[in-house]
Amino acid sequence: GAGVSQTPSNKVTEKGKYVELRCDPISGHTALYWYRQSLGQGPEFLIYFQGTGAADDSGLPNDRFFAVRPEGSVSTLKIQRTERGDSAVYLCASSPQAGVLREQFFGPGTRLTVL
Amino acid sequence: AQKVTQAQTEISVVEKEDVTLDCVYETRDTTYYLFWYKQPPSGELVFLIRRNSFDEQNEISGRYSWNFQKSTSSFNFTITASQVVDSAVYFCALGGGYQKVTFGIGTKLQVIP
Repeated sequence: GAGVSQTPSNKVTEKGKYVELRCDPISGHTALYWYRQSLGQGPEFLIYFQGTGAADDSGLPNDRFFAVRPEGSVSTLKIQRTERGDSAVYLCASSPQAGVLREQFFGPGTRLTVL
Repeated sequence: AQKVTQAQTEISVVEKEDVTLDCVYETRDTTYYLFWYKQPPSGELVFLIRRNSFDEQNEISGRYSWNFQKSTSSFNFTITASQVVDSAVYFCALGGGYQKVTFGIGTKLQVIP
């Protein structure tokens, strides 16, 4: 079956612009996660969705970052007024069961470059 | 607060050697989960194993084995008879009662033919 997909694969934007990153989880997976990975680092947790609701958004760095999952499937990570420090690979992962910490299936990531 | 320490940032071994990747964790949760993920040069993270805090049994899967010791807060990963295809960055990760997962910095393994 299809894995987790993320679009775009690469995004180059200018400082101050708004960007949206999309994640299509594995069909039927109720849990969805967003992470940010900088070069030479491990993934850094941003937000976790249980169905449509954000159950834990403690990793979002500031209010410029926002994520939605309106129908409990596709999720969009939105970044306003981008800064050069936002440059990283943004990873999405899904898991078959919400509420119980299970293995996560990761997408290929979106590489965001802010000039 | 959760913390995962992978003290080895890079390891090089010659093919067919055994190699152990270390992972030390910190948590105040009594129920927690430990994971290992592999990130090959292609970039996509691949799940290897999940362990809960109540199951200290060691696990073997082919050439891979994991040693979980609560007494030392360690969850080490051993690859036996390493192969070139094992070259990747390996991440240890920790999750507690909530869904937030904390990853270590990763260990880059290079297997030289």
